[in-house]
Amino acid sequence: GNSVTQMEGPVTLSEEAFLTINCTYTATGYPSLFWYVQYPGEGLQLLLKATKADDKGSNKGFEATYRKETTSFHLEKGSVQVSDSAVYFCALSDPRSGYSTLTFGKGTMLLVSP
Amino acid sequence: NAGVMQNPRHLVRRRGQEARLRCSPMKGHSHVYWYRQLPEEGLKFMVYLQKENIIDESGMPKERFSAEFPKEGPSILRIQQVVRGDSAAYFCASSPGLADSYNEQFFGPGTRLTVL
Repeated sequence: GNSVTQMEGPVTLSEEAFLTINCTYTATGYPSLFWYVQYPGEGLQLLLKATKADDKGSNKGFEATYRKETTSFHLEKGSVQVSDSAVYFCALSDPRSGYSTLTFGKGTMLLVSP
Repeated sequence: NAGVMQNPRHLVRRRGQEARLRCSPMKGHSHVYWYRQLPEEGLKFMVYLQKENIIDESGMPKERFSAEFPKEGPSILRIQQVVRGDSAAYFCASSPGLADSYNEQFFGPGTRLTVL
């Protein structure tokens, strides 16, 4: 079956530090890959996505590249801000009969201090 | 345009009681997904509904759980005779059409169910 594994948190960084959150996946077929972010007390928001191998998703300074050879989709940001503190979820889509359900990793909490 | 609404945000039930979780999709969205997040785990798909139809309930426990999305009103996830293992965060997502790589699912803030 499909699964997503992401690094455990919390990840604690100082402002302006470089961020990497690792994500690897197992899937049948050719899934699309996503990063969602959840700020305290809010729902999940789509941060970025990539729909095929070698695609790079980017948004708000965050980037992730779909690496089929290593089955990875690591999230990176060059300089984090305090406002980036949140829980980040890696996910893949599982196309079935014309629609997709999402398979999520356990989430990684990021804490950024001033 | 209001986002996906879920209520209540927090729900406490005693073992054996019923829990009803409500989800109002974004305006214009007719597709609803329910996910459950158990402690220390990621979100797991439960059920996918369109108006008046259950499309896929492969992630739903076979007993005590049911879901509906009537023609009028919110989608309801119903858990009968709750047990402590049902304690979790339940998230609803909606999309305007078939949720695929190109049709984003928009998530609500979740309902946190605690069973005493």
